[in-house]
Amino acid sequence: KAGVTQTPRYLIKTRGQQVTLSCSPISGHRSVSWYQQTPGQGLQFLFEYFSETQRNKGNFPGRFSGRQFSNSRSEMNVSTLELGDSALYLCASRPDGAGANVLTFGAGSRLTVL
Amino acid sequence: AQKVTQAQTEISVVEKEDVTLDCVYETRDTTYYLFWYKQPPSGELVFLIRRNSFDEQNEISGRYSWNFQKSTSSFNFTITASQVVDSAVYFCALRPYSGGGADGLTFGKGTHLIIQP
Repeated sequence: KAGVTQTPRYLIKTRGQQVTLSCSPISGHRSVSWYQQTPGQGLQFLFEYFSETQRNKGNFPGRFSGRQFSNSRSEMNVSTLELGDSALYLCASRPDGAGANVLTFGAGSRLTVL
Repeated sequence: AQKVTQAQTEISVVEKEDVTLDCVYETRDTTYYLFWYKQPPSGELVFLIRRNSFDEQNEISGRYSWNFQKSTSSFNFTITASQVVDSAVYFCALRPYSGGGADGLTFGKGTHLIIQP
């Protein structure tokens, strides 16, 4: 069974640009969540999607947005990039029902903002 | 608000030593889940264990064991006879039981475990 796949793995952007990251969950998983990991703030919850609807959102500015498609694949977008947005962005998926609280994470997308 | 504290930023031990990683949490929820994840240099978070707040039984899985004490809000993780492959950053995390699971995990800052040969 394929795991959670994130693309791209690495990318470099400059301040003011925008970026879109992609996440393909484990087959059959309808819940996808995103986390930001930085050396200073650690791992922080961004948002979670279920069946194309955002169910919850962490404490991040509106520049951070996401969406989920009918095949459960998800994208997150960061607009007007700032230096502080440099981070590892991790996507995770989880099943419905039993084990619903166990997240399986992808390898992450490492964003560097110059 | 919830909080997870991993006071040990970095631990270095020699292979075959036992090592315990501490985790203390704060929550107002009466029921919740606790987790441990491992993050090797590749960056992917690997799930190790989930514990429900209403189940205080300790758990052992091979060289790994977990001690959950609700009275002290702690969920410590012990590796017995450590191996070099155990070197990684370990995260403790908390999630409320309510909310249908939509609430994000609250992570501690992580403990960087270095196992020297």
